[in-house]
Amino acid sequence: AQSVAQPEDQVNVAEGNPLTVKCTYSVSGNPYLFWYVQYPNRGLQFLLKYITGDNLVKGSYGFEAEFNKSQTSFHLKKPSALVSDSALYFCAVGSSNTGKLIFGQGTTLQVKP
Amino acid sequence: DAGITQSPRHKVTETGTPVTLRCHQTENHRYMYWYRQDPGHGLRLIHYSYGVKDTDKGEVSDGYSVSRSKTEDFLLTLESATSSQTSVYFCAISESGLLAGDHNEQFFGPGTRLTVL
Repeated sequence: AQSVAQPEDQVNVAEGNPLTVKCTYSVSGNPYLFWYVQYPNRGLQFLLKYITGDNLVKGSYGFEAEFNKSQTSFHLKKPSALVSDSALYFCAVGSSNTGKLIFGQGTTLQVKP
Repeated sequence: DAGITQSPRHKVTETGTPVTLRCHQTENHRYMYWYRQDPGHGLRLIHYSYGVKDTDKGEVSDGYSVSRSKTEDFLLTLESATSSQTSVYFCAISESGLLAGDHNEQFFGPGTRLTVL
């Protein structure tokens, strides 16, 4: 079975502080991991992905994510949060067995000035 | 939104009526997808297409059908709308399928908000 979990409905962080949005997954076969961001009344925007290679992946807007195979996690991080980072973040996972992508329930990031 | 348009952007309809949503892309990408977004469920795949006239079911395909007669258009039809199909519907495209590795990220349209009364 293939599943993805975002354990926090909301993450609150002060501007300038580091942020982490958590994602764990379960797949059969090799995982394909993605992060997307959604601003109000907009479609999802691609941030970054992990397919193979370095466990630390860098993406758009200063975001990065670390693939941890032993913990089956792919947490999204940013060293210094901006108020404009406030949005809904989705983790998605696909497997080499199914060829299909499934999305987590989303985590709302609130960055306060 | 990466050369993807969806029409209509908003629609209110009554239970039992047919509804067709259109997704149009100008990127010439081979893969197209329809998702629905509901609170507490994230995005769920309804149907997808891997080429003209080539489609397959996603995880929530019951009550929906799709057609793709040309590369740029992917239609989603609700044959007889029900209140449970009230949702926000997103179209997405990708140059390659998931297993290709390169160019497999999906790009999303602006969404269609559908209300079934």
